[in-house]
Amino acid sequence: QVQLQESGPGLVKPSETLSLTCTVSGGSIRSYHWSWIRQPPGKGLEWIGYIYYSGSTSYNPSLKSRVTISEDTSKNQFSLKLSSVTAADTAVYYCARFSGSSSGYYYFDYWGQGILVTVSS
Amino acid sequence: DIQMTQSPSSLSASVGDRVTITCRASQSISRYLNWYQQKPGKAPKVLIYAASSLQSGVPSRFSGSGSGTDFTLTISTLQPEDFATYYCQQSYSNPRTFGQGTKLEIK
Repeated sequence: QVQLQESGPGLVKPSETLSLTCTVSGGSIRSYHWSWIRQPPGKGLEWIGYIYYSGSTSYNPSLKSRVTISEDTSKNQFSLKLSSVTAADTAVYYCARFSGSSSGYYYFDYWGQGILVTVSS
Repeated sequence: DIQMTQSPSSLSASVGDRVTITCRASQSISRYLNWYQQKPGKAPKVLIYAASSLQSGVPSRFSGSGSGTDFTLTISTLQPEDFATYYCQQSYSNPRTFGQGTKLEIK
């Protein structure tokens, strides 16, 4: 059974960089797309981006200038960095696997439990 | 970006009811549409992928239909554990986008 676990600081100061790590167990990150998704308190879901095991990335254009997703295959982890944060970046951040069916339809099939990151001084 | 619009935004229903939630895409997305259920304090869980394929382990009372721009999620006989928020999500193109959610509450 694949499991994902987010880790990182729960409080980040405005203008600083938010850094989170997702540790994957029960499967290798050397395949699939590995994603970050966030959810502001009481609001909907926003896809941040993903990394493919080859190292290629795709980001939401609304965040692209501030986002970096990277991987560490030796630790079976992938990470998120979001720079120049403001209060609008306060959210629960989820990592998730973006998996494809045999017919090529992709969906988020495994999720971490989520980590609340608050941006405040 | 492809905009996903769900209706209604909230819905009150009773155990045993049949419920339908609608999702509309701002452009055709073929059948690249997924449905998720989210309970308070928990991560979303995929119910339906490719518009109508039931994810393994999901009860058969959940079903999905549609293609192009209009999609529906139907719960045939509501159970107490089904009261949650439901999201649609398109996998046709980047950025992957979600609907705003439909909160299903107990009447």
